[in-house]
Amino acid sequence: QSVVTQPPTASGTPGQRVTISCSGSSSNIGSSIVNWYQQLPGTAPKLLIYNDTQRPSGVPDRFSGSKSGTSASVAISGLQSEDEADYYCAVWDDSLQGWLFGGGTKLTVL
Amino acid sequence: EVKLLESGGGSVQPGGSLRLSCVASGFTFNYYAMDWVRQAPGKGLEWVSGIGGDGARTYYAGSVKGRSTISRDNSKNTLYLEMNSLRAEDTAVYYCARKTDDWGAIDIWGQGTMVTVSP
Repeated sequence: QSVVTQPPTASGTPGQRVTISCSGSSSNIGSSIVNWYQQLPGTAPKLLIYNDTQRPSGVPDRFSGSKSGTSASVAISGLQSEDEADYYCAVWDDSLQGWLFGGGTKLTVL
Repeated sequence: EVKLLESGGGSVQPGGSLRLSCVASGFTFNYYAMDWVRQAPGKGLEWVSGIGGDGARTYYAGSVKGRSTISRDNSKNTLYLEMNSLRAEDTAVYYCARKTDDWGAIDIWGQGTMVTVSP
Protein backbone atom coordinates (compact mmCIF):
# COMPACT_ATOMS: atom_id res chain seq x y z
CA GLN A 1 0.00 0.00 0.00
CA SER A 2 1.45 3.32 -1.08
CA VAL A 3 1.54 5.94 1.62
CA VAL A 4 2.39 9.60 1.64
CA THR A 5 3.62 10.75 5.04
CA GLN A 6 3.43 14.14 6.73
CA PRO A 7 4.32 15.09 10.30
CA PRO A 8 1.04 15.32 12.27
CA THR A 9 1.95 18.66 13.85
CA ALA A 10 4.12 21.71 13.28
CA SER A 11 4.42 24.99 15.12
CA GLY A 12 6.12 28.34 15.07
CA THR A 13 5.92 31.84 16.43
CA PRO A 14 4.77 34.86 14.44
CA GLY A 15 7.39 35.94 11.93
CA GLN A 16 9.19 32.59 11.92
CA ARG A 17 9.70 30.32 8.94
CA VAL A 18 8.10 26.87 9.13
CA THR A 19 8.49 23.93 6.76
CA ILE A 20 6.07 21.01 6.38
CA SER A 21 7.34 17.88 4.68
CA CYS A 22 5.64 15.23 2.57
CA SER A 23 7.44 11.94 2.01
CA GLY A 24 6.45 9.37 -0.59
CA SER A 25 7.97 6.94 -3.05
CA SER A 26 8.98 6.49 -6.66
CA SER A 27 5.41 5.61 -7.63
CA ASN A 28 4.02 8.94 -6.44
CA ILE A 29 6.15 11.94 -5.49
CA GLY A 30 9.11 10.55 -7.42
CA SER A 31 7.14 10.58 -10.68
CA SER A 32 4.24 13.03 -10.32
CA ILE A 33 3.53 16.61 -9.43
CA VAL A 34 2.64 17.50 -5.85
CA ASN A 35 -0.13 19.83 -4.80
CA TRP A 36 -0.70 21.39 -1.39
CA TYR A 37 -3.96 22.42 0.26
CA GLN A 38 -4.70 24.56 3.29
CA GLN A 39 -7.80 23.84 5.35
CA LEU A 40 -8.82 26.48 7.88
CA PRO A 41 -10.97 25.23 10.78
CA GLY A 42 -14.53 24.46 9.73
CA THR A 43 -14.00 25.24 6.06
CA ALA A 44 -13.38 23.41 2.79
CA PRO A 45 -9.77 23.01 1.68
CA LYS A 46 -8.14 25.63 -0.51
CA LEU A 47 -5.44 25.16 -3.14
CA LEU A 48 -2.14 26.53 -1.81
CA ILE A 49 0.59 25.20 -4.15
CA TYR A 50 0.22 23.29 -7.44
CA ASN A 51 2.68 21.62 -9.82
CA ASP A 52 5.24 21.31 -7.00
CA THR A 53 6.11 25.01 -6.78
CA GLN A 54 3.38 27.20 -8.31
CA ARG A 55 1.17 29.54 -6.32
CA PRO A 56 -2.40 30.24 -7.45
CA SER A 57 -3.29 33.89 -7.75
CA GLY A 58 -4.20 35.31 -4.37
CA VAL A 59 -1.85 33.07 -2.37
CA PRO A 60 0.80 35.23 -0.68
CA ASP A 61 4.42 34.73 -1.70
CA ARG A 62 5.14 33.81 1.91
CA PHE A 63 4.13 30.32 0.82
CA SER A 64 6.53 28.32 -1.34
CA GLY A 65 6.75 24.73 -2.49
CA SER A 66 9.70 22.52 -3.38
CA LYS A 67 10.37 18.92 -4.31
CA SER A 68 13.43 16.70 -4.40
CA GLY A 69 13.35 13.01 -5.26
CA THR A 70 10.54 11.36 -3.32
CA SER A 71 9.96 14.23 -0.89
CA ALA A 72 8.22 17.55 -1.15
CA SER A 73 7.71 20.42 1.25
CA VAL A 74 5.89 23.67 1.71
CA ALA A 75 7.52 26.55 3.50
CA ILE A 76 5.74 29.41 5.20
CA SER A 77 7.84 32.46 5.94
CA GLY A 78 6.79 35.41 8.08
CA LEU A 79 4.34 33.17 9.93
CA GLN A 80 1.04 34.83 10.80
CA SER A 81 -1.77 33.81 13.14
CA GLU A 82 -4.12 33.32 10.20
CA ASP A 83 -1.81 30.59 8.87
CA GLU A 84 -3.01 28.31 11.68
CA ALA A 85 -4.66 25.51 9.73
CA ASP A 86 -4.31 21.93 8.50
CA TYR A 87 -2.03 21.42 5.51
CA TYR A 88 -2.25 18.48 3.10
CA CYS A 89 -0.04 17.33 0.26
CA ALA A 90 -1.60 15.39 -2.61
CA VAL A 91 -0.02 13.39 -5.41
CA TRP A 92 -1.05 10.91 -8.10
CA ASP A 93 0.18 7.38 -7.48
CA ASP A 94 1.01 5.36 -10.61
CA SER A 95 0.75 2.01 -8.82
CA LEU A 96 -2.64 2.70 -7.28
CA GLN A 97 -3.88 4.73 -10.26
CA GLY A 98 -5.39 7.21 -7.87
CA TRP A 99 -4.67 10.33 -5.87
CA LEU A 100 -3.09 10.11 -2.44
CA PHE A 101 -3.40 12.73 0.26
CA GLY A 102 -0.87 12.94 3.01
CA GLY A 103 -2.26 12.50 6.48
CA GLY A 104 -2.23 16.24 7.09
CA THR A 105 -0.19 18.53 9.32
CA LYS A 106 -1.83 20.74 11.92
CA LEU A 107 0.08 24.01 12.09
CA THR A 108 -0.12 25.95 15.35
CA VAL A 109 1.03 29.55 15.60
CA LEU A 110 2.26 30.01 19.17
CA GLU B 1 -18.89 33.35 -9.54
CA VAL B 2 -17.62 29.77 -9.74
CA LYS B 3 -19.61 27.55 -7.40
CA LEU B 4 -20.12 23.88 -6.59
CA LEU B 5 -23.17 22.90 -4.55
CA GLU B 6 -23.44 19.37 -3.21
CA SER B 7 -26.60 17.66 -2.04
CA GLY B 8 -27.89 14.18 -1.29
CA GLY B 9 -26.10 13.50 1.97
CA GLY B 10 -27.89 12.15 5.01
CA SER B 11 -28.17 9.21 7.35
CA VAL B 12 -28.29 5.68 5.99
CA GLN B 13 -28.07 2.21 7.47
CA PRO B 14 -25.09 -0.07 6.79
CA GLY B 15 -25.61 -1.82 3.47
CA GLY B 16 -27.72 1.02 2.13
CA SER B 17 -27.25 3.32 -0.84
CA LEU B 18 -27.03 7.04 -1.53
CA ARG B 19 -26.60 9.25 -4.58
CA LEU B 20 -24.72 12.49 -4.10
CA SER B 21 -25.16 15.35 -6.57
CA CYS B 22 -23.06 18.42 -7.25
CA VAL B 23 -24.38 21.29 -9.35
CA ALA B 24 -21.73 23.48 -10.92
CA SER B 25 -22.14 27.10 -11.95
CA GLY B 26 -20.02 29.98 -13.18
CA PHE B 27 -17.82 27.96 -15.57
CA THR B 28 -18.03 25.69 -18.62
CA PHE B 29 -18.62 22.42 -16.81
CA ASN B 30 -17.72 20.01 -19.59
CA TYR B 31 -14.25 21.55 -19.94
CA TYR B 32 -13.19 20.28 -16.52
CA ALA B 33 -12.38 16.99 -14.87
CA MET B 34 -14.04 16.58 -11.48
CA ASP B 35 -13.29 14.68 -8.28
CA TRP B 36 -15.02 13.57 -5.11
CA VAL B 37 -12.95 13.88 -1.92
CA ARG B 38 -14.16 12.90 1.54
CA GLN B 39 -13.19 13.70 5.10
CA ALA B 40 -14.25 11.53 8.02
CA PRO B 41 -15.02 13.42 11.26
CA GLY B 42 -11.78 14.67 12.78
CA LYS B 43 -9.70 12.95 10.09
CA GLY B 44 -7.75 13.89 6.98
CA LEU B 45 -8.73 14.17 3.35
CA GLU B 46 -9.26 11.05 1.23
CA TRP B 47 -9.65 11.11 -2.56
CA VAL B 48 -12.64 9.00 -3.56
CA SER B 49 -13.16 9.19 -7.31
CA GLY B 50 -12.50 11.25 -10.44
CA ILE B 51 -14.00 11.68 -13.89
CA GLY B 52 -12.81 13.35 -17.09
CA GLY B 53 -14.60 16.26 -18.69
CA ASP B 54 -16.41 14.09 -21.22
CA GLY B 55 -17.16 11.35 -18.70
CA ALA B 56 -15.18 8.75 -20.64
CA ARG B 57 -12.50 8.19 -18.01
CA THR B 58 -13.28 7.34 -14.41
CA TYR B 59 -11.04 6.51 -11.47
CA TYR B 60 -11.74 5.15 -8.00
CA ALA B 61 -9.95 4.74 -4.71
CA GLY B 62 -9.54 1.16 -3.64
CA SER B 63 -11.73 1.80 -0.60
CA VAL B 64 -14.82 2.45 -2.78
CA LYS B 65 -14.05 0.58 -6.00
CA GLY B 66 -16.86 -1.80 -6.90
CA ARG B 67 -19.27 -0.05 -4.53
CA SER B 68 -19.38 3.41 -6.07
CA THR B 69 -20.05 4.94 -9.49
CA ILE B 70 -19.07 8.44 -10.54
CA SER B 71 -20.91 10.03 -13.45
CA ARG B 72 -21.79 13.41 -14.87
CA ASP B 73 -24.54 15.01 -16.92
CA ASN B 74 -22.90 17.87 -18.79
CA SER B 75 -26.28 19.09 -20.06
CA LYS B 76 -27.28 19.69 -16.42
CA ASN B 77 -23.86 20.83 -15.15
CA THR B 78 -24.12 18.10 -12.55
CA LEU B 79 -21.70 15.57 -11.08
CA TYR B 80 -22.91 12.46 -9.29
CA LEU B 81 -21.54 9.83 -6.92
CA GLU B 82 -23.65 6.75 -6.38
CA MET B 83 -22.58 4.74 -3.36
CA ASN B 84 -23.80 1.25 -2.53
CA SER B 85 -23.16 -1.28 0.24
CA LEU B 86 -22.34 1.60 2.56
CA ARG B 87 -20.22 0.92 5.63
CA ALA B 88 -19.61 2.82 8.86
CA GLU B 89 -16.21 3.83 7.53
CA ASP B 90 -17.89 5.69 4.66
CA THR B 91 -19.17 8.24 7.19
CA ALA B 92 -17.65 11.56 6.10
CA VAL B 93 -18.18 14.96 4.56
CA TYR B 94 -18.08 14.49 0.79
CA TYR B 95 -16.63 17.35 -1.24
CA CYS B 96 -17.21 17.91 -4.93
CA ALA B 97 -14.12 19.40 -6.53
CA ARG B 98 -13.06 20.89 -9.87
CA LYS B 99 -9.68 19.98 -11.35
CA THR B 100 -7.41 22.37 -13.24
CA ASP B 101 -6.94 19.58 -15.77
CA ASP B 102 -7.24 15.78 -15.82
CA TRP B 103 -3.99 15.26 -13.92
CA GLY B 104 -3.88 18.57 -12.11
CA ALA B 105 -4.79 20.12 -8.84
CA ILE B 106 -8.21 20.78 -7.36
CA ASP B 107 -8.76 24.50 -7.70
CA ILE B 108 -12.41 24.76 -6.61
CA TRP B 109 -14.11 22.91 -3.73
CA GLY B 110 -17.76 22.70 -2.77
CA GLN B 111 -18.91 23.20 0.80
CA GLY B 112 -19.46 19.47 1.29
CA THR B 113 -22.37 17.20 2.15
CA MET B 114 -22.38 14.93 5.20
CA VAL B 115 -23.00 11.20 4.88
CA THR B 116 -23.57 9.22 8.07
CA VAL B 117 -23.73 5.43 8.00
CA SER B 118 -25.07 3.95 11.22
CA PRO B 119 -27.66 1.38 12.36
